[in-house]
Amino acid sequence: KNQVEQSPQSLIILEGKNCTLQCNYTVSPFSNLRWYKQDTGRGPVSLTIMTFSENTKSNGRYTATLDADTKQSSLHITASQLSDSASYICVVTRLDSNYQLIWGAGTKLIIKP
Amino acid sequence: KAGVTQTPRYLIKTRGQQVTLSCSPISGHRSVSWYQQTPGQGLQFLFEYFSETQRNKGNFPGRFSGRQFSNSRSEMNVSTLELGDSALYLCASSLAGVDRVYEQFFGPGTRLTVL
Repeated sequence: KNQVEQSPQSLIILEGKNCTLQCNYTVSPFSNLRWYKQDTGRGPVSLTIMTFSENTKSNGRYTATLDADTKQSSLHITASQLSDSASYICVVTRLDSNYQLIWGAGTKLIIKP
Repeated sequence: KAGVTQTPRYLIKTRGQQVTLSCSPISGHRSVSWYQQTPGQGLQFLFEYFSETQRNKGNFPGRFSGRQFSNSRSEMNVSTLELGDSALYLCASSLAGVDRVYEQFFGPGTRLTVL
């Protein structure tokens, strides 16, 4: 079954600290993997998109990694800020005739001052 | 460049009614996707339109339908509303279909409440 599982479900850290969010998927065949940030009540905003051949991609303080062999991805946030409080969603595109997007349930991150 | 716009932003309807939501993609974008998000739930994919053709469809009942016009603007219609249809409906546009690894840009959403 094509699934995307994210952990932890929620995370609370202090401002200035680093954190890593995990994404495991069983989607096959694989096309690409995306990380989105969604503030409460707003639409998601794309952080990174990685294809099969990419292992790491950065966007400012956000760094995503991809291990296509183990079907795992992580999103590392460095020097967290209060504005990083949001849900972070992992999405995997299935390489089929319709290029179906499989969405994870997200990790809710809370940054405390 | 203007972002994705959705109208209306908020809507209150009663059970049994129907509703039409509108989405204007970023200029030049040909792909429009619709999603439903209920409180505490992840995004549920409704459908994707590309050049006026529905290319992908999620697992939603036939009460949910959509269309795309020649200018890439898209509408989503929900008939015979149920209480469970209360949700944030999000529209996303991209230059081409997601198979080409183009970034999706989301609109602010339409908050639908069914009483």
